[in-house]
Amino acid sequence: SAVISQKPSRDICQRGTSLTIQCQVDSQVTMMFWYRQQPGQSLTLIATANQGSEATYESGFVIDKFPISRPNLTFSTLTVSNMSPEDSSIYLCSGQVNEQFFGPGTRLTVL
Amino acid sequence: GQQLNQSPQSMFIQEGEDVSMNCTSSSIFNTWLWYKQDPGEGPVLLIALYKAGELTSNGRLTAQFGITRKDSFLNISASIPSDVGIYFCAGQRRTALIFGKGTTLSVSS
Repeated sequence: SAVISQKPSRDICQRGTSLTIQCQVDSQVTMMFWYRQQPGQSLTLIATANQGSEATYESGFVIDKFPISRPNLTFSTLTVSNMSPEDSSIYLCSGQVNEQFFGPGTRLTVL
Repeated sequence: GQQLNQSPQSMFIQEGEDVSMNCTSSSIFNTWLWYKQDPGEGPVLLIALYKAGELTSNGRLTAQFGITRKDSFLNISASIPSDVGIYFCAGQRRTALIFGKGTTLSVSS
């Protein structure tokens, strides 16, 4: 399987600010996704990152809050906008060729 | 959103014991996957199951895709300390993965 890296690995942010998380895959993948994992919880799909077009968001997630880009087959960004403490979570990028595999996650704490 | 029912929530076992965990759903899935997540890491794929009734092994791990396509189990034989972590089942329909709530495994030596 391909290797996924994410930057930053962790951050502490002030409420009202925005953070952009980068996801890089070391080989081309057909699909890329963004998940959220709240403390002590399971993973919830935020959106599917579509190359060259708008992401497809799951119920409860909107583009204004979580804008996503995917300019090519190996790179995607997720922005967490106008953050509040409730946004404190692990944000995980995944890629899929056959099965989905995950990056190490970005641990976000919002004060 | 829809979630899978994964049990048990946690397990505390002795090294060398066998472990079993399972997931059930009210909906059918085309693929079942089992992941393990260590602290501070992303989930790592352990086993993927593609056909109803399929039984697949990966070393000491064995998983099965239920006949009804609504359930799956994972067995770990002869547990060792490095088996500690959180195990997640995930069902896939088209592209989206739906995760169970996880089973936290603790192994004492």
